[in-house]
Amino acid sequence: AQSVTQPDIHITVSEGASLELRCNYSYGATPYLFWYVQSPGQGLQLLLKYFSGDTLVQGIKGFEAEFKRSQSSFNLRKPSVHWSDAAEYFCAVVRMDSSYKLIFGSGTRLLVRP
Amino acid sequence: NAGVTQTPKFQVLKTGQSMTLQCAQDMNHEYMSWYRQDPGMGLRLIHYSVGAGITDQGEVPNGYNVSRSTTEDFPLRLLSAAPSQTSVYFCASSYKRESADTQYFGPGTRLTVL
Repeated sequence: AQSVTQPDIHITVSEGASLELRCNYSYGATPYLFWYVQSPGQGLQLLLKYFSGDTLVQGIKGFEAEFKRSQSSFNLRKPSVHWSDAAEYFCAVVRMDSSYKLIFGSGTRLLVRP
Repeated sequence: NAGVTQTPKFQVLKTGQSMTLQCAQDMNHEYMSWYRQDPGMGLRLIHYSVGAGITDQGEVPNGYNVSRSTTEDFPLRLLSAAPSQTSVYFCASSYKRESADTQYFGPGTRLTVL
C-alpha cells in the first residue's frame, strides 16, 4: 500500500537560513508526488508537484523539491527562509486507482526564528 | 471565482446531533472530496465524487454520508455526531478525477463534538 512518511514533526530554522523538509514514500511504480503548505487557520495550497521528467521541480514561493528514486525521497528545499514561511507542510502521493486520492504524510511544522 | 467555499467555519455539536457541512465550488470541477485533518495524522479521505450523482467511500467513511446532486455542491452529513468526529474538515475539488493532483482546498470547518 502507498504511504508517505515525514520523519520530522517540528523543524525550527532561523530567518535567512536554508531549509530542507524530508519526505519518503512507499509506492510500487513511478509516483505522483506533491508538497502542500497550510498556514495557520487556512486550507492547503499546492507548492509543487512531480509527475515525471526533470527530478528537480520548482514551485511557488521559492521552494524546490528533488525526486530521488533510489532513496524513495522527495525532499522540499528553500535556500533562504522568510518569517512568512512558518506553516505546516505536507507531502502527498496520489493513489492511482479509481479514487485518485491523495495520501498525505503527517506533516512537518516549520517554525522560523527572527 | 470564489473557488471552494465551506460553511460553517466553526461548529459545536452535542453527541447524537446531526448536521450538514456545506461545500460549494464555482469552477465547474468534476471531482470533489472531503478530508478530515487530525493532529499527527495528516489528512484522510472520507468520501469523494467524480461527478454529479456519483459518490464513493474513502479511507474513513463511517459515520458520514454524502450526495452530489449538482456539479457545484458536495455536502457532508453527520447523522449522529460522536466525539471521535471532532476534527477539521476540508473540502477539495479538481477539474477531473485524473487531475486530482491539482486539488483546490476550501478554508475548512472546525467541528467539536461534546
